[in-house]
Amino acid sequence: QQQVKQSPQSLIVQKGGISIINCAYENTAFDYFPWYQQFPGKGPALLIAIRPDVSEKKEGRFTISFNKSAKQFSLHIMDSQPGDSATYFCAASMTGTASKLTFGTGTRLQVTL
Amino acid sequence: DGGITQSPKYLFRKEGQNVTLSCEQNLNHDAMYWYRQDPGQGLRLIYYSQIVNDFQKGDIAEGYSVSREKKESFPLTVTSAQKNPTAFYLCASTLYQGFQPQHFGDGTRLSIL
Repeated sequence: QQQVKQSPQSLIVQKGGISIINCAYENTAFDYFPWYQQFPGKGPALLIAIRPDVSEKKEGRFTISFNKSAKQFSLHIMDSQPGDSATYFCAASMTGTASKLTFGTGTRLQVTL
Repeated sequence: DGGITQSPKYLFRKEGQNVTLSCEQNLNHDAMYWYRQDPGQGLRLIYYSQIVNDFQKGDIAEGYSVSREKKESFPLTVTSAQKNPTAFYLCASTLYQGFQPQHFGDGTRLSIL
């Protein structure tokens, strides 16, 4: 019940295209959903996060879509660039649990020229 | 610049040896975390600490130990009881107030000699 399932495992997108990564969760007590971006040999960095009281959040080319009834959320990267090539992790946490994060298994994104 | 410093970047362990990974933060964050990252498995929580002199086990604490004697420091010891220690270890911290993001260091890669 604590799992967050992420797909796809890997993704190849052409420059200028839209990258879409999906996550699903079971525990309805989760109430904070961040996305992290990780480059090789580096730690993850927060990209964007959403609370379940909104259905969408946009920051620049990055958008989170949230479907509370389906218990799914997704990351959309518009106008994907080669510099976006990285591994992306979705995560979830719940109030009262010391901000512990449960991570998805990651998606390796490659943006080709 | 505020941040999280992990050292060393690479570490090699001999059979039967305990090794300690360092994590220091100057962000004045309350909570600190240790994660283990293996290919295809995302990040899994080893230990976390919300305040000085207190810490809790995460999902995969067996074979690991921690201490939190100072707010800014949260070292992780990988003991000889951890039979499969080869992984990328990540330290994170966050303000323990509401939905604050976790900030990560750049990790320590531990290998077996």
